Amino acid sequence: KQEVTQIPAALSVPEGENLVLNCSFTDSAIYNLQWFRQDPGKGLTSLLLIQSSQREQTSGRLNASLDKSSGRSTLYIAASQPGDSATYLCAVRMDSSYKLIFGSGTRLLVRP
Amino acid sequence: NAGVTQTPKFRVLKTGQSMTLLCAQDMNHEYMYWYRQDPGMGLRLIHYSVGEGTTAKGEVPDGYNVSRLKKQNFLLGLESAAPSQTSVYFCASSYAATGYTFGSGTRLTVV
Repeated sequence: KQEVTQIPAALSVPEGENLVLNCSFTDSAIYNLQWFRQDPGKGLTSLLLIQSSQREQTSGRLNASLDKSSGRSTLYIAASQPGDSATYLCAVRMDSSYKLIFGSGTRLLVRP
Repeated sequence: NAGVTQTPKFRVLKTGQSMTLLCAQDMNHEYMYWYRQDPGMGLRLIHYSVGEGTTAKGEVPDGYNVSRLKKQNFLLGLESAAPSQTSVYFCASSYAATGYTFGSGTRLTVV
C-alpha cells in the first residue's frame, strides 16, 4: 500500500530564505506527483505537476524535483515571502489508479 | 473560466437529515472525485467516477452515495447524516494524464 510522508510537519522561516519541503513515497510505481497549496479554510490550489518520466518542474519561484527510484520529491521555494505561508501538500497518483494519495502536509509560516 | 464549482459552501444539518452536495466542472474532464478532509486524517477519497454514468467506491464510502448522470456534474448524497460526517468535502476533476483541479470545498457540520 502506497504511503506518502511529508517532513517537516511544520516550518517557520524568516522572509527571504530559500527553503525545501520534502515528500517521500513507499511505492515507486507512480504515474505522476502533484504539489498543492492550501490556505486556511480554503481549497487546494495546484502548484506543480511532475509526470513520472520527468525530473523537475518549475513555476516562478517554485521548483519541484522527482526521484522515482528513491521515492522522493522536493519542493524548493526561493526567496520566501509572507504570502507563501500556507500548508503544502504532495500527492501521488499510481500507475494502476486514477486516485491521488496525499501526504499529511507541511505547514509553512514565513515571518516578515 | 470557473473550473470546479461546489455548492453549497457551508451547511449545518441535524442528525438523520439528508442532503446532496453538487460539484460541477466546465473543463470536460472525464474523471471526478469526492474527498473529505479531517484534522489529523488528511484527505481521504469517498467515491470517484471515471466517466458519465459510472461510479466507484474509494477509501471511506460508507454513509455516502454518488451519481454522475451528466459528464460535468458529480453529486454526493448523505441519506442520514451522522456527526461523524462533519467534515470539509472537496470535489476534484482530472483528465487521465493530467493533474487534479479541486473545488473550494463544502464545510458541513452535523449536530
